Amino acid sequence: GESVGLHLPTLSVQEGDNSIINCAYSNSASDYFIWYKQESGKGPQFIIDIRSNMDKRQGQRVTVLLNKTVKHLSLQIAATQPGDSAVYFCAENTQTGANNLFFGTGTRLTVIP
Amino acid sequence: DGGITQSPKYLFRKEGQNVTLSCEQNLNHDAMYWYRQDPGQGLRLIYYSQIVNDFQKGDIAEGYSVSREKKESFPLTVTSAQKNPTAFYLCASRDRPNSNQPQHFGDGTRLSIL
Repeated sequence: GESVGLHLPTLSVQEGDNSIINCAYSNSASDYFIWYKQESGKGPQFIIDIRSNMDKRQGQRVTVLLNKTVKHLSLQIAATQPGDSAVYFCAENTQTGANNLFFGTGTRLTVIP
Repeated sequence: DGGITQSPKYLFRKEGQNVTLSCEQNLNHDAMYWYRQDPGQGLRLIYYSQIVNDFQKGDIAEGYSVSREKKESFPLTVTSAQKNPTAFYLCASRDRPNSNQPQHFGDGTRLSIL
């Protein structure tokens, strides 16, 4: 398969456990945040988003938490499955300029069967 | 299904050659983007377009060119001036440039040097 992010932070979890992936963002004025999942050799896939007027948002098996005080975002995956193995990265949306979406470098999640 | 189609999936470039990567979207999105992805790094913006017949340089535009003659198409040319073109190239679109909506991505083109 393709190698994307050879030196990324890594997280290994046992199948069935919960996973927590963290992201620190840089701009206190950012008002919208997105989590993406990228499997090997594919493009990033949207997972969940959250606006800055919220602290928590839940999807199917995923929850995003936003702590604006410390500029921290986390993605929680419940009952992690082998198909969840991928690189996960966050993006923050500022309100400056015409292009306003900035991406983190990502975390590689490996699920151990 | 609506989405973004990138082609080809793999592309090889010879020395001194220009190559063009295709990106087509049927999402009726105004904004389109090209990113470069290298191992261990986040997405780096090459060019973006907010609307037809308009495009702007991103952070690493040198050695690349684009056009936006149609809303659904945003091809990227990697010119011979780009001395280190080997990378994974991703195209994305968004409904409007500054909207609070996610960008949608294609499945990428991997470019290598022969």
